[in-house]
This record gives sequence, C-alpha cells and structure tokens, in this order.
Amino acid sequence: GAGVSQTPSNKVTEKGKYVELRCDPISGHTALYWYRQSLGQGPEFLIYFQGTGAADDSGLPNDRFFAVRPEGSVSTLKIQRTERGDSAVYLCASSLAGVGGEQFFGPGTRLTVL
Amino acid sequence: AQSVSQHNHHVILSEAASLELGCNYSYGGTVNLFWYVQYPGQHLQLLLKYFSGDPLVKGIKGFEAEFIKSKFSFNLRKPSVQWSDTAEYFCAVNANNNNDMRFGAGTRLTVKP
Repeated sequence: GAGVSQTPSNKVTEKGKYVELRCDPISGHTALYWYRQSLGQGPEFLIYFQGTGAADDSGLPNDRFFAVRPEGSVSTLKIQRTERGDSAVYLCASSLAGVGGEQFFGPGTRLTVL
Repeated sequence: AQSVSQHNHHVILSEAASLELGCNYSYGGTVNLFWYVQYPGQHLQLLLKYFSGDPLVKGIKGFEAEFIKSKFSFNLRKPSVQWSDTAEYFCAVNANNNNDMRFGAGTRLTVKP
C-alpha cells in the first residue's frame, strides 16, 4: 500500500535551467493534481489530470510550466528557464474520484533556484 | 476575489486546552470543505471533510468542524488538545465542483506539554 511518491525530494538548480519533477500516484487513482506551496502559504493549485489528459491547467502560472501524464499514471511537471521565484515545494496528490474526492498527498519536491 | 482565510497564523496552547481554528471562504454556490493537517516532517493528510448533510462533521483524532453556511465558515475544533496535535492545519475549499482546491495559508499549532 504505497502512498504517493515524488522524486527528487530536493532539487537545487541555477536560474535559467530546465527541471523535471516526478510524481508516482497511488495505484488505481485516476485523478492527479499538482500544487505549489511557497513559504508561509497554503498549497496553490497548478493542474489537474483525469487519466491521461490535463482536465484543468488553469493554475499553471505561465508557459514555462508544463505537465504530462502519458500513460495515466506517473506524471512529470516540467519547468523551463527556471526563475528564482519558482523556488517552492511542489506537491502532487492523487484521488480515486475526480472533483471533490479525498486527495492523498505526496511528500513534495523542494525546488530551489539559485 | 474568491479566497480562503485562516485567521490565526500561529496558535500556542497548553495540553488539555480547547482548540478552535477559524476558516472563512468567499465562494458562492455549492462548496466541499476540508481540513488537512501536516505533522512535522510528514505529508499533508485529511482530517475531515464536509460535502452535504449534517453540518457538524467528525474527523480523526477527536477533531470536528462545523459548517455555518450563513457565515461562510468551517471552523475546526477539538475539546482537549494533546502535545501530538502540534502541526500545521490547512482549510481547503472546492467550490461548485470545480477541479481545483483552494487552500488557506495555514495555522501553525504548537501544544506545550
């Protein structure tokens, strides 16, 4: 009964670089969410997948952010040309149902952009 | 603007004290309401949720929350806190069955033994 896992747990990169953050949801969960949590704030919604498709990407801050879930399981959040303001903890959550269902969170990836 | 507000940034209590953490939201229409907890070094986990029905909901570890529609509130309560309740508590709202969940900024609870 593994929970949601995320890798890496920590990522330090330089401004302008490209990063990929991985999320492995609970097996059988069709819904997958990405959030970003800055210091002293609650999680901020980025994108929601139902199966393989991005059902709602309205929370992505700009076109440097992109996420995929090609086989309906593992998801990758991709950030191009990273900026210092992208530094945050990136959280992934999955749920059995879609909207409104209980979301199970992973431990997060702490991204630091120098 | 639509938002979720948690009034207290940091609450410090002694063991056995009663707890109430405030949460207000500004969404209209149908809402699903949640309280999540994050213990030190652990993942966010669900404490309790309200979808419909009895506005007083019971969660894990003796927590409860009351949905008061007229006040747009969903305050979290516990009659007697323990040292192990030290954690960060987040209120979250899913409005009108939208896909996103909006979180408050969180309240850090410190319980002194």
